[in-house]
Amino acid sequence: GESVGLHLPTLSVQEGDNSIINCAYSNSASDYFIWYKQESGKGPQFIIDIRSNMDKRQGQRVTVLLNKTVKHLSLQIAATQPGDSAVYFCAETDTGRRALTFGSGTRLQVQP
Amino acid sequence: DAMVIQNPRYQVTQFGKPVTLSCSQTLNHNVMYWYQQKSSQAPKLLFHYYDKDFNNEADTPDNFQSRRPNTSFCFLDIRSPGLGDAAMYLCATSREGTDPLTFGPGTRLTVL
Repeated sequence: GESVGLHLPTLSVQEGDNSIINCAYSNSASDYFIWYKQESGKGPQFIIDIRSNMDKRQGQRVTVLLNKTVKHLSLQIAATQPGDSAVYFCAETDTGRRALTFGSGTRLQVQP
Repeated sequence: DAMVIQNPRYQVTQFGKPVTLSCSQTLNHNVMYWYQQKSSQAPKLLFHYYDKDFNNEADTPDNFQSRRPNTSFCFLDIRSPGLGDAAMYLCATSREGTDPLTFGPGTRLTVL
């Protein structure tokens, strides 16, 4: 069978609260970043992306912040809903590579 | 709807028995990827095709091979599956590799 997986860090929030999920990356050459949401048994689903010439980008209920100085990325979800419960992955690449490297993931649990 | 399709969704094989997983896309994207995802871990890139150009990750075992006979289809061949190869296998596509990846639903591989 499968090898034992690592324990995912978990963020537990109340419905209606704001959530902040953090991600650190190591490749200073990375210039494109994406947040994905993955529900159990499904493939990752695109949420929002940001390129390195920006430090903030907003979508519907979600905001991504990029701090290139400390190589840190965050995803903010406003008014978190039970349907937001999932594992969230950040991913990075540099333009020349054409392939994403995923961070370790955070499990978001929304309590009704 | 344009999408990424993976077949089968669940595959059971015996230790050492070759298995092939398939992926097709209707997005007409140039780039196709295969990722391996073990329980509670991030997806790990095995290889990708940019058009017909094959790009293998340095740490992808020789046991894993891939074929892309045309733009729409890509196959993952596992020549001699071991217990440690049990995982979710995710296919993804990208228009040029500098835009978000679109993932399929994955194939869950069990090795007995």
